Amino acid sequence: DAKTTQPNSMESNEEEPVHLPCNHSTISGTDYIHWYRQLPSQGPEYVIHGLTSNVNNRMASLAIAEDRKSSTLILHRATLRDAAVYYCILRDRGQGAQKLVFGQGTRLTINP
Amino acid sequence: EAGVAQSPRYKIIEKRQSVAFWCNPISGHATLYWYQQILGQGPKLLIQFQNNGVVDDSQLPKDRFSAERLKGVDSTLKIQPAKLEDSAVYLCASSLFGASQNTEAFFGQGTRLTVV
Repeated sequence: DAKTTQPNSMESNEEEPVHLPCNHSTISGTDYIHWYRQLPSQGPEYVIHGLTSNVNNRMASLAIAEDRKSSTLILHRATLRDAAVYYCILRDRGQGAQKLVFGQGTRLTINP
Repeated sequence: EAGVAQSPRYKIIEKRQSVAFWCNPISGHATLYWYQQILGQGPKLLIQFQNNGVVDDSQLPKDRFSAERLKGVDSTLKIQPAKLEDSAVYLCASSLFGASQNTEAFFGQGTRLTVV
């Protein structure tokens, strides 16, 4: 499985934007970039995914570098409920059932 | 839409005892995952099913852990005998199957196991 590198922790203030980085220098051309987050005492939940182009949904935006070796999850206006561990995961788009392999993630703290 | 159901939510057992966890995935989801999450770590994939067949169980400690998915729906994960280091949250997840990578996984709330 291709490896991702994320900072162990980050801190931000409520109502400010948050940029969560992820490095994946060994990404292959068939890998999608997925983000999940895990709120305290909950199972992980899907946030967003992308391949080459930047993506937006109701939860967040995903900015993907042109060489695809890094990406950034953007929370446009953080709330206290966004405090969670955020995981950046690569998934091969090849045929067959795909594994979902988690790393250590980034623990995001939001200050009121 | 109903989510992934897991039971029990909490379990405390003594070492060397056995324990079983149950998971009911979202209806129609062919892929089912079991994860082990030790406090402070990311979830570790134990086993992945496609319908009732095993796709990956490379991280499953087969001398003590077993899992089955009868009829491609519900699944059980068993530990026998349990060790202290098995204390963790056991998460079940499911997703639609397909070669496309647009298939997000949905997680249950997990079972917190404490081995004393």
